[in-house]
Amino acid sequence: AQTVTQSQPEMSVQEAETVTLSCTYDTSESDYYLFWYKQPPSRQMILVIRQEAYKQQNATENRFSVNFQKAAKSFSLKISDSQLGDAAMYFCAYRTPYLYNQGGKLIFGQGTELSVKP
Amino acid sequence: IAGITQAPTSQILAAGRRMTLRCTQDMRHNAMYWYRQDLGLGLRLIHYSNTAGTTGKGEVPDGYSVSRANTDDFPLTLASAVPSQTSVYFCASSATQNTGELFFGEGSRLTVL
Repeated sequence: AQTVTQSQPEMSVQEAETVTLSCTYDTSESDYYLFWYKQPPSRQMILVIRQEAYKQQNATENRFSVNFQKAAKSFSLKISDSQLGDAAMYFCAYRTPYLYNQGGKLIFGQGTELSVKP
Repeated sequence: IAGITQAPTSQILAAGRRMTLRCTQDMRHNAMYWYRQDLGLGLRLIHYSNTAGTTGKGEVPDGYSVSRANTDDFPLTLASAVPSQTSVYFCASSATQNTGELFFGEGSRLTVL
């Protein structure tokens, strides 16, 4: 069964600095999708960034980028120029490929609580 | 633009009572999901539906049931609530069954006493 592990329950970063959140996963599949979601105190789940496994190029969205290491099954999130509004719980997630009669389910890690110090 | 609407937002429930969490989406997405969020465990899949008329079990289905009579609605029922079902419940949907992101509702906080 696929699993997703976030080994950092909590992280802290100074405003304007860079922080990296770690994520590893386990799968025997070769084609899949990886995501980072942000959950602020409002509880809303917000997509931060997405990576297709067949693409070697790391995804980037403004200040957010990933380091995707397929062979190592690692998918870390880098936040540059951290802002107070980045403070939130961050979840790494793996989407299973579609199999007949099964859904392409999203499997989540345990989450990393990021605090940003002014 | 509504997206996914969940109700109720919050509920306190006595153990043994029946409870239905409602979920409606207006994006005409085929796939829908129910997750529960617990501290230190992330989000865990309860049930899912690939399309109207079909449902499947996720990682933690015991004590929950779902139905998918049409594309838009995907209610989650707790037949006889127990304190271990105290959690935040998220409904989500996706346009396809295997690509792209899931869109989430705002969650329903359920407390079972």
